[in-house]
Amino acid sequence: NAGVTQTPKFQVLKTGQSMTLQCAQDMNHNSMYWYRQDPGMGLRLIYYSASEGTTDKGEVPNGYNVSRLNKREFSLRLESAAPSQTSVYFCASSTGLAGGQETQYFGPGTRLLVL
Amino acid sequence: SQQGEEDPQALSIQEGENATMNCSYKTSINNLQWYRQNSGRGLVHLILIRSNEREKHSGRLRVTLDTSKKSSSLLITASRAADTASYFCATLSGANSKLTFGKGITLSVRP
Repeated sequence: NAGVTQTPKFQVLKTGQSMTLQCAQDMNHNSMYWYRQDPGMGLRLIYYSASEGTTDKGEVPNGYNVSRLNKREFSLRLESAAPSQTSVYFCASSTGLAGGQETQYFGPGTRLLVL
Repeated sequence: SQQGEEDPQALSIQEGENATMNCSYKTSINNLQWYRQNSGRGLVHLILIRSNEREKHSGRLRVTLDTSKKSSSLLITASRAADTASYFCATLSGANSKLTFGKGITLSVRP
């Protein structure tokens, strides 16, 4: 099992450009999450999908959109990138079967630089 | 907003020593989890302790939870250079699956 995979690993964008970060998991998990990690801020939840077909906003959703394409894939889109979106983005998944009691499995991250 | 606050922010110890890291939180929780992040990598789950538990062990890890003080501690015994990483506590509150992470502790273990 590959676990949680993310593409690309690294991306440089100019202000105003758009891009989609891809995430896939092969663990048959119901729930998937997108976080951003900034120095000194820990991880902050952007969006999550409790199950296929549903998405909800997290703590910092502004400037982002998500799509739960199927049970395996959860993408994060930046429509018009801004320098404030320079960050490391992590995708995670969990079984979603224990009412939120279970642990999350993280991908390796995507490092995004917006100039 | 961060629920968990780790303490200290950075810790440097000699190989073989024990490392103790603390986490405090503000609201009632369902469970508290500790994660490790090696430089440039994703987070890896270490241990989960439920609100009705007071202590759990996993290998060289020991975690305690004091709900009356809203605090938890993670003890790594007989530390190794490979334990060098950032450690995060995360709390889960309410009926949903959303974790709230602290800002992390940077642990350096000197060979």
